[in-house]
Amino acid sequence: EVVLTQSPGTLSLSPGERATLSCRASQSVRGNYLSWYQQKPGQAPRLLIYSASNRPTGIPDRFSGSGSGTDFTLTISRLEPEDFAVYYCQQYGGSPPWTFGRGTKVELK
Amino acid sequence: QLQLQESGPGLVRPSETLSLTCTVSRGSVSTTEFHWGWIRQTPEKGLEWIGSIYLSGSTYYSPSLESRVTISLDTSRNQFSLKMRSVTAADTARYYCARLNWNDGRIRYWGQGTLVTVSS
Repeated sequence: EVVLTQSPGTLSLSPGERATLSCRASQSVRGNYLSWYQQKPGQAPRLLIYSASNRPTGIPDRFSGSGSGTDFTLTISRLEPEDFAVYYCQQYGGSPPWTFGRGTKVELK
Repeated sequence: QLQLQESGPGLVRPSETLSLTCTVSRGSVSTTEFHWGWIRQTPEKGLEWIGSIYLSGSTYYSPSLESRVTISLDTSRNQFSLKMRSVTAADTARYYCARLNWNDGRIRYWGQGTLVTVSS
């Protein structure tokens, strides 16, 4: 099973700043099938990025994903007040299982 | 857009069976493009994929839960269900149903989640 390690655990930033979140896989993610999610308290996770760098319809372009193989990054170019949340990465190797990282909390500095 | 809604008891006694149903609306479970699955979340373990089912009836389970879990699909009711046997306090979690993309693994649609507590 592929283990995903996210860093840092917590990121303290101010609105308007750039956020860079990392997700490292224990082995290469097949097809770069790596997704990112945002979760706010009391809500289900929300898909932000899929296949490492693709944004679903309706996701603002301040969210971008990059990376391949074992190292992936989610970048929020300029933090808006509504972006303070927990972010998870998730991988899928073309067949089950789906596995998730433990999350990075982006908090208000 | 597609909506998923979990339903079932919020409290289950230890050693009994947890049963949840996910009702899909504004879309059909009778599609070959997606899996229908269950994911749970706890503060201790984070997000954990439990298992999923395909239209053909093929099921896939987390190895750690496989011996206790059954997922089924009811196309006539546009629902799918989770049964987890012999539950313990460690199974206390928020349970989400979701639509999983079989091709690239993205999970675009989630239910709102339902909290299940295992306690006597």
